Amino acid sequence: GAGVSQTPSNKVTEKGKYVELRCDPISGHTALYWYRQSLGQGPEFLIYFQGTGAADDSGLPNDRFFAVRPEGSVSTLKIQRTERGDSAVYLCASSPLSGYPQETQYFGPGTRLLVL
Amino acid sequence: AQSVAQPEDQVNVAEGNPLTVKCTYSVSGNPYLFWYVQYPNRGLQFLLKYITGDNLVKGSYGFEAEFNKSQTSFHLKKPSALVSDSALYFCAVRDASGAGSYQLTFGKGTKLSVIP
Repeated sequence: GAGVSQTPSNKVTEKGKYVELRCDPISGHTALYWYRQSLGQGPEFLIYFQGTGAADDSGLPNDRFFAVRPEGSVSTLKIQRTERGDSAVYLCASSPLSGYPQETQYFGPGTRLLVL
Repeated sequence: AQSVAQPEDQVNVAEGNPLTVKCTYSVSGNPYLFWYVQYPNRGLQFLLKYITGDNLVKGSYGFEAEFNKSQTSFHLKKPSALVSDSALYFCAVRDASGAGSYQLTFGKGTKLSVIP
């Protein structure tokens, strides 16, 4: 079946601009996660959705970052007033149930964001 | 807080030889442990996980990992390496006790190069 998909695959923007990154989870998966992977590092947690609500947003670095999942499926990560330090690969993952710790998270291919 | 250490940035092994990629972890409660592989310009692919039970876990593509509670380790192994195993490998942990249990914490990754 189809895996997690993310669009766009690459995004180049200028400092100060607004960007939106989209994630389509595996059909039927309730839990959705966003991670950020900087060059040479492992992915770092940003936010977790259980259904439509953000159950844990403790990883968002500041209030320029925001994410939504209005219908409990597709999610959008929004970054305002982008900075060069926001350049990274943004990964989305989903899991079948409501975030039980033993569940496997399945990752999408990521969106590579470059802020000039 | 939970953390993962992958002490080797790079591991080189000859094709056909056994390989080991090291991982140690720290959590306040019991760990759930995961290995993922990342090929260039692609997302993370799940290899295997330890939840409970047998300390030796078998996963995809002939990989296995051994959970050692006393050494807080979860090393990835394969009896005979293939050139196609060359990739970036990430170890990740979740705390089963509920502290930060929604998020995976990743190591920095180990680049595996299998030499023909």
